[in-house]
Amino acid sequence: SAVISQKPSRDICQRGTSLTIQCQVDSQVTMMFWYRQQPGQSLTLIATANQGSEATYESGFVIDKFPISRPNLTFSTLTVSNMSPEDSSIYLCSVEGAVGANTEAFFGQGTRLTVV
Amino acid sequence: ILNVEQSPQSLHVQEGDSTNFTCSFPSSNFYALHWYRWETAKSPEALFVMTLNGDEKKKGRISATLNTKEGYSYLYIKGSQPEDSATYLCAFNAGNNRKLIWGLGTSLAVNP
Repeated sequence: SAVISQKPSRDICQRGTSLTIQCQVDSQVTMMFWYRQQPGQSLTLIATANQGSEATYESGFVIDKFPISRPNLTFSTLTVSNMSPEDSSIYLCSVEGAVGANTEAFFGQGTRLTVV
Repeated sequence: ILNVEQSPQSLHVQEGDSTNFTCSFPSSNFYALHWYRWETAKSPEALFVMTLNGDEKKKGRISATLNTKEGYSYLYIKGSQPEDSATYLCAFNAGNNRKLIWGLGTSLAVNP
């Protein structure tokens, strides 16, 4: 199993500003995943963060808008840049319990972002 | 485009009732089907990861079945309790790069 501490738990931000979300894992993991859930929508993968290389972004998401850092095997940050009200969402980081697609995922507590 | 659908969208039951909900997913390129419980202000928590057609898994009062040929999974809760109130999410894995495709969830409210 993995325990993930995610901060902040919620924030209200002005449009045009940026917010950095942090996730700390209690063990070393190869990949960390960043998700977004917009109101009324399903969880959507933003990007996969790999230590030592650039993050891999999903279709519709770009590095300039969602820069990601992965300085070591236990930590990652996601920045939501130049925010607009459409960025109001719950953001979640996640890791797999073990290597392999058949293992359960573990999540941070989520960051509830409101952009005004 | 891979689509995962869950029904119903929301459900209100009385304490002690048994309930079930459905997750539909593509029947081709199946790799795994995940179920999670997500309580408000908490982390989503894994319930089951199912990989074999005909699989049945159980955790306490909660159980799940899997039919990969027709592309559906049922989640059952026996004797619902107020602490079961949460959103139940399913996620489909087609095996490509470990990405999970998520349903919208079923929001369950159990009234005492």
